[in-house]
Amino acid sequence: NAGVTQTPKFQVLKTGQSMTLQCAQDMNHEYMSWYRQDPGMGLRLIHYSVGAGITDQGEVPNGYNVSRSTTEDFPLRLLSAAPSQTSVYFCASSRGPLETQYFGPGTRLLVL
Amino acid sequence: AQTVTQSQPEMSVQEAETVTLSCTYDTSENNYYLFWYKQPPSRQMILVIRQEAYKQQNATENRFSVNFQKAAKSFSLKISDSQLGDTAMYFCAFMKQNNAGNMLTFGGGTRLMVKP
Repeated sequence: NAGVTQTPKFQVLKTGQSMTLQCAQDMNHEYMSWYRQDPGMGLRLIHYSVGAGITDQGEVPNGYNVSRSTTEDFPLRLLSAAPSQTSVYFCASSRGPLETQYFGPGTRLLVL
Repeated sequence: AQTVTQSQPEMSVQEAETVTLSCTYDTSENNYYLFWYKQPPSRQMILVIRQEAYKQQNATENRFSVNFQKAAKSFSLKISDSQLGDTAMYFCAFMKQNNAGNMLTFGGGTRLMVKP
């Protein structure tokens, strides 16, 4: 049981490049979320999903796309990276509404 | 919208001593959930403790306990018998009950240093 896994651990991008941050969980959790953490700040919600095929926007969704084709995977796509997207990205999952969220180890992204 | 405030950017405590981290929040909701998460240098977010607002009894998990004051909208974390491994960033977080997306609203964090 690996919990929530994220790849890559660290990535450097140039402005305008695209990439996908991967997130997977093996706990059969319905709810999954993406957060970003900027230096010295708490986490802010980007997008979330309440089940396969269902996604919605969080607090800071601009510049990011998500999809949820399976229960296990919830990738986050940056279509055209900007320096303002330099951050640490966390994926989280929970069994259902109001349940405790469990976080992955994070992906550090640097956009030059 | 909810806001969560942690007024202590940094704190330190001697090993084996007790320390209390402060958290206040602002909400018009009556039913909600509060959390403390720990983030060690590894950056992993680890759940420390959870409190349901409808419960009057303060939550406790081993050396960690909370002082939940609903009327004052205060949710402090007490760490007893502090250990070197408690050194980390601590985040207070809020989740409202009618939250379809399980959205957590985080405070800015408190950096705790446990000194030997």
